[in-house]
Amino acid sequence: NAGVTQTPKFRILKIGQSMTLQCTQDMNHNYMYWYRQDPGMGLKLIYYSVGAGITDKGEVPNGYNVSRSTTEDFPLRLELAAPSQTSVYFCASSYTIERSGELFFGEGSRLTVL
Amino acid sequence: KNEVEQSPQNLTAQEGEFITINCSYSVGISALHWLQQHPGGGIVSLFMLSSGKKKHGRLIATINIQEKHSSLHITASHPRDSAVYICAVRGHGGSQGNLIFGKGTKLSVKP
Repeated sequence: NAGVTQTPKFRILKIGQSMTLQCTQDMNHNYMYWYRQDPGMGLKLIYYSVGAGITDKGEVPNGYNVSRSTTEDFPLRLELAAPSQTSVYFCASSYTIERSGELFFGEGSRLTVL
Repeated sequence: KNEVEQSPQNLTAQEGEFITINCSYSVGISALHWLQQHPGGGIVSLFMLSSGKKKHGRLIATINIQEKHSSLHITASHPRDSAVYICAVRGHGGSQGNLIFGKGTKLSVKP
């Protein structure tokens, strides 16, 4: 199994550009998450989804959008990129958030906005 | 005050030493996760705890719900254990998606 796959691994954007970070999981997990990790800070939740067609905002959703049209895919869209969105982004999934909710992470996407 | 505090922030050990990383939290929780972030950036789940103790190989995780404290122990440490160890808690109620993460403990094990 591939687990959680994120693309691209690295990307440089100019201010105002848009892009989509792709995330796919092949474990049939219901729950999927997007986090950002800034230097010296804990991971922060951007958006999450509890199943196809259902998404909700996390702690830091501004400037981002998501969709969940299938169980497998959970893309993160950045509209009008800003330098504050320079970060490392992680997609994660879990079968459930309850006691058996082990998290599986993608390898991360390093985004720089100049 | 952060809701999840880890100590120490940085830890350097000699190969073979017994290592303890601590995590204290201020909210009621339904579960606590220990994660390992490799130098290359990837994150791997080590343990998920809601009570007691879990062991996997040389790693042991304990949690004391009453004291709102968890520890991650590494026995017979090895340079390949060098990584950032992250504690995260899931609170009761509120946003179902939200884990609260500590800032991590950077461990370096010297040969």
